[in-house]
Amino acid sequence: DGGITQSPKYLFRKEGQNVTLSCEQNLNHDAMYWYRQDPGQGLRLIYYSQIVNDFQKGDIAEGYSVSREKKESFPLTVTSAQKNPTAFYLCASTSVGGSPLHFGNGTRLTVT
Amino acid sequence: EDQVTQSPEALRLQEGESSSLNCSYTVSGLRGLFWYRQDPGKGPEFLFTLYSAGEEKEKERLKATLTKKESFLHITAPKPEDSATYLCASTSGTYKYIFGTGTRLKVLA
Repeated sequence: DGGITQSPKYLFRKEGQNVTLSCEQNLNHDAMYWYRQDPGQGLRLIYYSQIVNDFQKGDIAEGYSVSREKKESFPLTVTSAQKNPTAFYLCASTSVGGSPLHFGNGTRLTVT
Repeated sequence: EDQVTQSPEALRLQEGESSSLNCSYTVSGLRGLFWYRQDPGKGPEFLFTLYSAGEEKEKERLKATLTKKESFLHITAPKPEDSATYLCASTSGTYKYIFGTGTRLKVLA
């Protein structure tokens, strides 16, 4: 079955450490996205990539970095510069802009 | 600025009590309006896409409709398993999507 796999489901880190969240898709989608979801807030866009080796900052990119070396993979690194990293992170993909996004099941990151 | 607003924030229904969720949008050149269902601890699950005013889509007990300013998700005779957060999102056809904050629906047996 085609889909988006995010791993791990839960992640715990100490403050000051960088951490990388994995996102892999086998839907053959060109575009991939990272969102952050906090209670009471809508999904906020961190980064998106329309094509391999290219990506754009979203609304809250500070403290995050991404890479897009393969069509199937779009890992997100949460750096120590991110002031409030504890959140639920969602990866999504779509075939073309304007089509529905398809989501993975998220990674819950807790930083203490 | 493009914006999506959902209401109510939370809704409690008795099993079988039909109701509607609202999604108001201000988007320059709407190219798609999407509805998702999200269960706790999971990613949003795609339900419907609506492209133009007057369009309707149905799936089991759910029906989505679209006007020039808002969309409704009608839930007919809901069951407890319909309990979830329902998200609305819009796009102007670029690669940017605007999400509402969702409606938390609880259906009581």
